[in-house]
Amino acid sequence: ETGVTQTPRHLVMGMTNKKSLKCEQHLGHNAMYWYKQSAKKPLELMFVYNFKEQTENNSVPSRFSPECPNSSHLFLHLHTLQPEDSALYLCASSQAGTSSTNEQFFGPGTRLTVL
Amino acid sequence: TQLLEQSPQFLSIQEGENLTVYCNSSSVFSSLQWYRQEPGEGPVLLVTVVTGGEVKKLKRLTFQFGDARKDSSLHITAAQPGDTGLYLCAGAWGSARQLTFGSGTQLTVLP
Repeated sequence: ETGVTQTPRHLVMGMTNKKSLKCEQHLGHNAMYWYKQSAKKPLELMFVYNFKEQTENNSVPSRFSPECPNSSHLFLHLHTLQPEDSALYLCASSQAGTSSTNEQFFGPGTRLTVL
Repeated sequence: TQLLEQSPQFLSIQEGENLTVYCNSSSVFSSLQWYRQEPGEGPVLLVTVVTGGEVKKLKRLTFQFGDARKDSSLHITAAQPGDTGLYLCAGAWGSARQLTFGSGTQLTVLP
């Protein structure tokens, strides 16, 4: 148990569907992250939230829309995705601070398949 | 964009053998972490190194941070099938709070 949960674990959707991924952390951390993990590629950072404020958006297409209502919950809203968006989407949290080494704790991921 | 190179990309060994995985960059890390990821799961943090020349041990795993803080290695002694997984290094530079991940080493330990 890492303290970070993600739902659903698996998702299959068509290109015209709208769905949302959910992440919840029970560690009292102040930063949350979305990563994309594709085959044969390093983890790609998508979004970062510190104290519920988005601080990073690494050139992610607008068909991915994050939402962070509080420091414990993070959502990724999906719409009109493409087949190349199929990947494992990982959520992570950390206690970010000036002296922090930013150790991140990951959820189990959502395996997304876009048909 | 900072890059982290990991080698080898794939490693398949017999139970009982030793192995070393490497993580390198042309930049100086402020800190570096090693994670292990099993199929269908997220990465799990193994260790964080901060000081140049630092050596940390976790049972049969030995982590070393280079003196110049540009490289790191993970050595596993007497590997077991339970060590099978994707080993990832992740580094932070300067005041950056985000991590950059290497592409990983896929280790398979055969019984």
